[in-house]
Amino acid sequence: DTEVTQTPKHLVMGMTNKKSLKCEQHMGHRAMYWYKQKAKKPPELMFVYSYEKLSINESVPSRFSPECPNSSLLNLHLHALQPEDSALYLCASSQVYETGGYEQYFGPGTRLTVT
Amino acid sequence: GQNIDQPTEMTATEGAIVQINCTYQTSGFNGLFWYQQHAGEAPTFLSYNVLDGLEEKGRFSSFLSRSKGYSYLLLKELQMKDSASYLCAVMDSNYQLIWGAGTKLIIKP
Repeated sequence: DTEVTQTPKHLVMGMTNKKSLKCEQHMGHRAMYWYKQKAKKPPELMFVYSYEKLSINESVPSRFSPECPNSSLLNLHLHALQPEDSALYLCASSQVYETGGYEQYFGPGTRLTVT
Repeated sequence: GQNIDQPTEMTATEGAIVQINCTYQTSGFNGLFWYQQHAGEAPTFLSYNVLDGLEEKGRFSSFLSRSKGYSYLLLKELQMKDSASYLCAVMDSNYQLIWGAGTKLIIKP
């Protein structure tokens, strides 16, 4: 099973709403990632979890709050977003580099529109 | 600084061969990845090179020259479904991916 799943596929939210994006993988990967991707741009790394601990936060605004409840799940909590936060949000997972096998497997993404 | 360059767009004919080049300058090197991304979809992993040379995987091959900071992705027997963006990414000394802007490949009948 090389699948990473994400829900929801599409999300429209107002600037005062609170919502959460969910990601799940069952490949036994201990590294999980959140990326943001704007149209015609490469993915931008937001957060990295390694062994369920936040290891990288790429200076992301506090209106984005990640959570890793267990080794298979990753959430991204959204609050008071701005229209410029509209983008495709991608979750990915990989083995941690100490064990080799660095390729990241991506989920289908959540298309987020902030109105 | 860290920099990855690849052409913005390329056009090729169905059944032909196309080579997409990628040059890089990064702080450290732990391998180079190629991903394919269809419009509105997630990137899918194509190949990984960490040693110099050619890696072949069916219709797709990827080449790496570490001394030249250069890689290419070779696609043979092009099919219409190969129309997509192809992203080159280098894993740096911190084991993070540095992404190129992507090459949009257009396949014409």
